[in-house]
Amino acid sequence: GEDVEQSLFLSVREGDSSVINCTYTDSSSTYLYWYKQEPGAGLQLLTYIFSNMDMKQDQRLTVLLNKKDKHLSLRIADTQTGDSAIYFCAESNKAGTALIFGKGTTLSVSS
Amino acid sequence: EPEVTQTPSHQVTQMGQEVILRCVPISNHLYFYWYRQILGQKVEFLVSFYNNEISEKSEIFDDQFSVERPDGSNFTLKIRSTKLEDSAMYFCASSERSQGGLNTEAFFGQGTRLTVV
Repeated sequence: GEDVEQSLFLSVREGDSSVINCTYTDSSSTYLYWYKQEPGAGLQLLTYIFSNMDMKQDQRLTVLLNKKDKHLSLRIADTQTGDSAIYFCAESNKAGTALIFGKGTTLSVSS
Repeated sequence: EPEVTQTPSHQVTQMGQEVILRCVPISNHLYFYWYRQILGQKVEFLVSFYNNEISEKSEIFDDQFSVERPDGSNFTLKIRSTKLEDSAMYFCASSERSQGGLNTEAFFGQGTRLTVV
């Protein structure tokens, strides 16, 4: 079945780059997503990538997609303390009607 | 900025009791969803709702669960007889179009933490 896996914790220093990794199983997923959850808040869509793209850049965020290895990563450049949050990787299900999420990666940024 | 709101933020209930979790989706959205996250586990899809009926549901969404859009603004999730394993964070979401497709950003609420004791 469809599954998404990601590492649970990442700790970086302010100003460094953060790379959060994710693997997924459904090669037919059209879109892959990164959501961010700040304490006490809902899941906020950060960015998404279409499956025929290798890379997408949006200001400090870079998404890399390796379709062959079913590997997705989110790079945050110049990480700030405000980036501390839980980051969820998600793929669309086969029918394209719902999202399959990973467990979330807790990013901790120290100054 | 429009947002999805959920109430209450935290609900404690006794095992066997019925609970209703409430959500107000974004007003012009047509698709509504419930997800849940048991502590330390993945965010899991429960159900999607469109045009006043369930469009898809997962294996988790058994006969103990039901959803309703009682008026033009609220979207509720009812758990008929709660079990300890229903303890989780429940997220409501809404989108203009069906999730998983082009430009279908789903907006999530802040969640309701349900604790069954």
